[in-house]
Amino acid sequence: EAQVTQNPRYLITVTGKKLTVTCSQNMNHEYMSWYRQDPGLGLRQIYYSMNVEVTDKGDVPEGYKVSRKEKRNFPLILESPSPNQTSLYFCASSPRRGGSYEQYFGPGTRLTVT
Amino acid sequence: GDSVTQMEGPVTLSEEAFLTINCTYTATGYPSLFWYVQYPGEGLQLLLKATKADDKGSNKGFEATYRKETTSFHLEKGSVQVSDSAVYFCALSYNNNDMRFGAGTRLTVKP
Repeated sequence: EAQVTQNPRYLITVTGKKLTVTCSQNMNHEYMSWYRQDPGLGLRQIYYSMNVEVTDKGDVPEGYKVSRKEKRNFPLILESPSPNQTSLYFCASSPRRGGSYEQYFGPGTRLTVT
Repeated sequence: GDSVTQMEGPVTLSEEAFLTINCTYTATGYPSLFWYVQYPGEGLQLLLKATKADDKGSNKGFEATYRKETTSFHLEKGSVQVSDSAVYFCALSYNNNDMRFGAGTRLTVKP
């Protein structure tokens, strides 16, 4: 089954404790992206990757890091989480960036930073 | 810059009512337009899309027509069901640019 998986689905952590949210897709997509969803703000892009070893900032990259060492995986790293990073996070993938390509979304990771 | 504006929610309807969720866009190019749906506790999934002016996207009884003259892509359904309760996102994408999403509209359908 074609899918995007994320882990963990739920995470409660404390300020400053490094964490990684994993994302994996099995569709051989070149493009992957991370979003955060906050009430009233819709989805805001954090980082994206157009292919292996090619990543770039989205609209809200501060406090986040990413890497793309393999085509299927695109982890999101919070090196020193803060309470304002409490949010619902989605990973997405697509055959290419832009155009008429549909994005496929993971189930989401709900992060709470206390 | 490119942007999508959706009608503010939440929207509450009775079962079998007619649904319209307005979406307008601003883009410098000729975008493809999308509606995504997010059911409770799930990720977004594509509901329908249209890739050029006057195209009509349709799926599961939902429809939206790409209107270039009014820069709009309004979502409609003739008779909503309780199972349509979800958050709906309008989005645009074109060329080599990242997809832009609206803020989302929460729909609740009551029996």
